[in-house]
Amino acid sequence: DGGITQSPKYLFRKEGQNVTLSCEQNLNHDAMYWYRQDPGQGLRLIYYSQIVNDFQKGDIAEGYSVSREKKESFPLTVTSAQKNPTAFYLCASRGTGGSYEQYFGPGTRLTVT
Amino acid sequence: LAKTTQPISMDSYEGQEVNITCSHNNIATNDYITWYQQFPSQGPRFIIQGYKTKVTNEVASLFIPADRKSSTLSLPRVSLSDTAVYYCLVANTGGGNKLTFGTGTQLKVEL
Repeated sequence: DGGITQSPKYLFRKEGQNVTLSCEQNLNHDAMYWYRQDPGQGLRLIYYSQIVNDFQKGDIAEGYSVSREKKESFPLTVTSAQKNPTAFYLCASRGTGGSYEQYFGPGTRLTVT
Repeated sequence: LAKTTQPISMDSYEGQEVNITCSHNNIATNDYITWYQQFPSQGPRFIIQGYKTKVTNEVASLFIPADRKSSTLSLPRVSLSDTAVYYCLVANTGGGNKLTFGTGTQLKVEL
């Protein structure tokens, strides 16, 4: 089945630790995105990548880092510099062409204590 | 990128038609309008996209007036399972694939 996978579904970390969230897609999409969602709020863009080895900061990139070494993979690292890392993280991808449809993964809920 | 404005919440009853309007006054010539649905603790799901006039699929209709400064998502005969948050998103390729969501509209459907 084609789609986007995120792992793990739930993640717990101690304050001060870096943590990496996984995002993999087998849709052959060029563009990939990371969003953060806080309770009762909308989605906020962290980073996005249009193509392998290229990525741009979104609206709330501070305290996060990404890499795009492979087309299928777009991992997000939440660093200790992120002041409020506890949130629901969503990864998405989009193909080129006439559709603007983004395909979302199931999300990772990160809790930092 | 065009900023979008939607009502924070709407209430409806089963079987009714629901219309959710999104304002995007600064929409550019190359921008498309897309709508997503999100259930709690899940990723958003694409519903429909359009550029002008009317678009219809098996789930919803999208109405876009000639000036394209707003759009209306129409959900026919809603059911309890349509209770969700609905997002309007303006997208274009000129923005380098940057896609930014607004705050969304919480739709609550009751019996």
